[in-house]
Amino acid sequence: GDSVTQMEGPVTLSEEAFLTINCTYTATGYPSLFWYVQYPGEGLQLLLKATKADDKGSNKGFEATYRKETTSFHLEKGSVQVSDSAVYFCALSDEGAQKLVFGQGTRLTINP
Amino acid sequence: GAVVSQHPSWVICKSGTSVKIECRSLDFQATTMFWYRQFPKQSLMLMATSNEGSKATYEQGVEKDKFLINHASLTLSTLTVTSAHPEDSSFYICSAIYRRSGNTIYFGEGSWLTVV
Repeated sequence: GDSVTQMEGPVTLSEEAFLTINCTYTATGYPSLFWYVQYPGEGLQLLLKATKADDKGSNKGFEATYRKETTSFHLEKGSVQVSDSAVYFCALSDEGAQKLVFGQGTRLTINP
Repeated sequence: GAVVSQHPSWVICKSGTSVKIECRSLDFQATTMFWYRQFPKQSLMLMATSNEGSKATYEQGVEKDKFLINHASLTLSTLTVTSAHPEDSSFYICSAIYRRSGNTIYFGEGSWLTVV
């Protein structure tokens, strides 16, 4: 079945550092790919998404590019802030479906 | 923006008892909601799809008699863990589809269940 594998955390960085959280997937069809973020005490929020190969999703300085050849959707940010501290989930959904398959989540802590 | 709220956020119950978790869409109607659970350091796993006015659709391996889902109104779905055991201790989170917003999925805050 479909699956998502994320970089194992926790990840700790200093403010203004460059961030990469790796995500790879296995799917039979042509899924849509997502990054969700969960801040302490809150629900998951959609951070960005890409629906087809070579699409780049971006939001709040975060970017991820849908790479079909490497089945990857790595999350990047050029300069992280303390407020980016959260748990990040990579996810996919099969074409036409609304069920999400999640990675295990990566806890990110940014120190001032 | 659209909000989904879960209650309770934390619950501790005794082994053998039942516990109910509510998932509400606060400012939109949701004909479809989803229930997930997450074990420590593991992925969020879909348990079931909750459909308003009809029976829930359970994922393979999820016991429907143990995890009762009711979606009696367009803004409320409930998950009842019956005869809870310590192995049911987990993080449960729901989501709802906001169809008027391009089928955007909104998540609740999640509920921590501890069975002692």
